[in-house]
Amino acid sequence: DTGVSQDPRHKITKRGQNVTFRCDPISEHNRLYWYRQTLGQGPEFLTYFQNEAQLEKSRLLSDRFSAERPKGSFSTLEIQRTEQGDSAMYLCASSSRWDTEAFFGQGTRLTVV
Amino acid sequence: GENVEQHPSTLSVQEGDSAVIKCTYSDSASNYFPWYKQELGKRPQLIIDIRSNVGEKKDQRIAVTLNKTAKHFSLHITETQPEDSAVYFCAATSNMRGGADGLTFGKGTHLIIQP
Repeated sequence: DTGVSQDPRHKITKRGQNVTFRCDPISEHNRLYWYRQTLGQGPEFLTYFQNEAQLEKSRLLSDRFSAERPKGSFSTLEIQRTEQGDSAMYLCASSSRWDTEAFFGQGTRLTVV
Repeated sequence: GENVEQHPSTLSVQEGDSAVIKCTYSDSASNYFPWYKQELGKRPQLIIDIRSNVGEKKDQRIAVTLNKTAKHFSLHITETQPEDSAVYFCAATSNMRGGADGLTFGKGTHLIIQP
């Protein structure tokens, strides 16, 4: 599979629980981004990795959010003590350059109940 | 930071007619402007992009124009077809920080092609 894959596709969790999502980017891409998309809105930038280094974090990324890309390949996004406001689609994207196509995964839809 | 405004939020056109979606951006440093198409329940996919050193780019029925002075760019779809129905997002970014800020997206335009 040459595309970006995300797992799981759907996650329902109770408020206060921790959740972790995984993203597998296109193998030759060193740039990896996480975005959040809510209904009727465009994706909003959360964080950026260049290889294994997390170089940028949006102010949207509260202390309850943490992301890693330990070997510069796959990435994980963890949300601790989930809140109902965290319910959204979490999208991962990878690219080879800053000004070329960002390939998106199918996303993980999180529902906090 | 960058702010991208997109209009209209919904656009309904007759099949075969043209559709135009407009975006404005706030950061004069932005120099890469992609357009993404997102069908219901699917991932966003790039349909066309433009860099700030050109004013217009065309790919078959799709074209994008950029006015750097006015800080706005537009997507033009001609001879619309039913499969063009989707949500379209404009976006902007710059290389000021090596693209680390990611893409700033507009809120999207729901394009409806009426048969």
